[in-house]
This record gives sequence, C-alpha cells and structure tokens, in this order.
Amino acid sequence: GENVEQHPSTLSVQEGDSAVIKCTYSDSASNYFPWYKQELGKRPQLIIDIRSNVGEKKDQRIAVTLNKTAKHFSLHITETQPEDSAVYFCAAEEGTHNDMRFGAGTRLTVKP
Amino acid sequence: EAGVAQSPRYKIIEKRQSVAFWCNPISGHATLYWYQQILGQGPKLLIQFQNNGVVDDSQLPKDRFSAERLKGVDSTLKIQPAKLEDSAVYLCASSLVSDQETQYFGPGTRLLVL
Repeated sequence: GENVEQHPSTLSVQEGDSAVIKCTYSDSASNYFPWYKQELGKRPQLIIDIRSNVGEKKDQRIAVTLNKTAKHFSLHITETQPEDSAVYFCAAEEGTHNDMRFGAGTRLTVKP
Repeated sequence: EAGVAQSPRYKIIEKRQSVAFWCNPISGHATLYWYQQILGQGPKLLIQFQNNGVVDDSQLPKDRFSAERLKGVDSTLKIQPAKLEDSAVYLCASSLVSDQETQYFGPGTRLLVL
C-alpha cells in the first residue's frame, strides 16, 4: 500500500544551527505535500506545504524542497530557536481519494 | 474564524464499553476527516467525508468503529466495544475540498481504554 517514510526519528541541534528532515513517498501520482508541527499535547498545525508544480518553497526560516523524480521531499529550518522544538510530520496526498498519509514524525530538540 | 471543535477532550473507559466523539468542522468546509494518532506515531486516517457522504473508510475497523455526518456538518465517531489498543488521540480535521487543500485539525480527544 501507500507509504510515507520519514527520517530521522529524532534530531537534536544547537540553537542557531539548521535542521533537515527528509521524507519519501510511494505514490507517483501524489501532488500535495504538507508539513505539520505538533507540540506536546497540542493539535498538528500546518507550517508549510508544497505542490508538485514547484520544486522549492520558502517561508522565512522554513523551506521545503520536492524531487518528484526521486519521490522525496525535505523540510529545512534555518537559524533554529528553542521554540522550534516539537514533533514534525510530513505527509503526502495519495491514492484515489487523495488520502493524507503521514510520516511517523521527527522529534526536534533545539538546545539553547 | 473559529477552528475545528471537538469534544470531549479526554475520555477514560473500560474495555468493552462504548464511546462517542463529536466534531464540528470549520464553517463551509465540505471535507471532514477522522484520524487516530497512537502515541509516538503519525495520524492515521480512519474515514473521510465529503459533505454527508463517505469518500473513503477503507482503514476504519468496521466491526467496532462507526462514523456519520448526517447533515454534512457535524460528525460523530463511535467505538463499540472498545479494546485496549484503541487508546489514542482521535483527531478531527476539515478542509474546503479534498484535493490539495490544507487540512485544519481540531484539538483531539484523548481516549484511554483500561
């Protein structure tokens, strides 16, 4: 079946450093790839998304890149801050019904 | 704009009991989703509604789970009878349409089955 793989599962960086999270997907027809941030006990919140007609999108310190040929996409956070600490989920819209498939999540810790 | 509302926020039941969750999506959103999020995992889609019709329920354990969205707005998700492995956060989300649209999540209902 459809699958979204996410790496790494945990990531610890020093404040000010960059963080990169990578995901791969299996459905070549997927066209929409959102990233969600989930703080402990809170709801997932969209931080950035990308559609298949572009290869890169940037919003301040956050950027996402998409390689449709290789079926992978990545989240880049620059100048990380302690408040960036959370679990980040990638997702891909897959299948006949445009179901959202989520990765297993990456726990990012930004150390002051 | 009000977000997705869910209730209750927490529920503790014993196995074999039944439980129901309620969701009110963002006004005007045609598509509504129920997800199950087990601790340490990503959300897993259970069912997707488009207005009051079911679009996809292929991952819903239909022997014990049921969901409805009778008037195309609010939705309820029911588990009967509950099992220990149903302990999770049940998230409701909504979007304007189902294709390449942002899904907005509710706060979730945290279920503990003892």
